[in-house]
Amino acid sequence: QKEVEQNSGPLSVPEGAIASLNCTYSDRGSQSFFWYRQYSGKSPELIMSIYSNGDKEDGRFTAQLNKASQYVSLLIRDSQPSDSATYLCAVRSNTGGFKTIFGAGTRLFVKA
Amino acid sequence: KAGVTQTPRYLIKTRGQQVTLSCSPISGHRSVSWYQQTPGQGLQFLFEYFSETQRNKGNFPGRFSGRQFSNSRSEMNVSTLELGDSALYLCASSLGAGQSSYEQYFGPGTRLTVT
Repeated sequence: QKEVEQNSGPLSVPEGAIASLNCTYSDRGSQSFFWYRQYSGKSPELIMSIYSNGDKEDGRFTAQLNKASQYVSLLIRDSQPSDSATYLCAVRSNTGGFKTIFGAGTRLFVKA
Repeated sequence: KAGVTQTPRYLIKTRGQQVTLSCSPISGHRSVSWYQQTPGQGLQFLFEYFSETQRNKGNFPGRFSGRQFSNSRSEMNVSTLELGDSALYLCASSLGAGQSSYEQYFGPGTRLTVT
């Protein structure tokens, strides 16, 4: 089982729709969770962090965390073509030493 | 604040050579992590440093090594290069202590091509 799993996609949504990106993780002791956006040819950019169960909203982005289910999600409301990118889920693990583990990423296409 | 800088941005090396990559973190950040990114494997964890100490090392051969200096700048070295080492090497810095301090900010990366 991979430490952090994401659907590779691609996920295609029409402009203005809600894009839903999902991530599961294996280390039950993980406490910090992050979403990064990576445009083609660029480095990852932090867009959200979440530490407690529930929802965290920042503009058009909402991160959701359920530690009991070991599940993190990212919702993008009113999706724009500029949101087309790969979204990486990252989990901070202290098992076996300090490290941040990234999922393989989900490619999102927003169609105008 | 200036962002994370990495040098060089591009490198072409021959099999068997060695290479050193450099990373300067955001001012005030004490932790630096290194990742290898390839199309097939995604972002793979290499090392994490905090205050000159290696906190963890990923599942890479001993040819990959790194260090962090007292000013938090970090270098990684790859010896005896192999074709499979061709990748984008990313450095990320963070405050390094405290819950919210694990938010990582990435540099532009060094694109290494081994021929």
